[in-house]
Amino acid sequence: SAVISQKPSRDICQRGTSLTIQCQVDSQVTMMFWYRQQPGQSLTLIATANQGSEATYESGFVIDKFPISRPNLTFSTLTVSNMSPEDSSIYLCSVSVGTEAFFGQGTRLTVV
Amino acid sequence: KQEVTQIPAALSVPEGENLVLNCSFTDSAIYNLQWFRQDPGKGLTSLLLIQSSQREQTSGRLNASLDKSSGRSTLYIAASQPGDSATYLCAVRDNYGQNFVFGPGTRLSVLP
Repeated sequence: SAVISQKPSRDICQRGTSLTIQCQVDSQVTMMFWYRQQPGQSLTLIATANQGSEATYESGFVIDKFPISRPNLTFSTLTVSNMSPEDSSIYLCSVSVGTEAFFGQGTRLTVV
Repeated sequence: KQEVTQIPAALSVPEGENLVLNCSFTDSAIYNLQWFRQDPGKGLTSLLLIQSSQREQTSGRLNASLDKSSGRSTLYIAASQPGDSATYLCAVRDNYGQNFVFGPGTRLSVLP
């Protein structure tokens, strides 16, 4: 299994600012995944982060808006840049250990 | 492209009832399927993982089945309790990648 610590758990931000979300895993993992869950919706994959290389973004998500860092095998950050109210969502990081997925507790972001 | 649906979207039952949540997926070439629980505003908690070669998995009052050929999985909850109230998500991982495709979830309310 894996224990994932995600910070902050929630934040209220002004439009036009940026927020960086941190994700720390208690074991080394090759890939980390960042998801967005808009209000009332299911999870959508933003990007996959590999250590030592650029993240791979899904259709509809771009690096300028959601820059990701992956400095080592246990840590990753996702930044939500130049925020607008439409970015209000829960953001979750995830890892796979073996064939099972584990999630952080999520960051609830509200943009005002 | 894999698509996952869940029926019903919402369910309200009295305490003690047995209930079934349904999950369907369009591409049967899956690696595994995982059921999660999500409490409001929180992250995801893994409930059961079924590999593509398995037919079912059980944990306590929960039983998940998988019929890969028909693209269906069910989550059976026995003797429901108010503490079971949450949104239940199913997610499938295909044979080509490590990320999951999520269904929209079933919002369950168990009334005391």
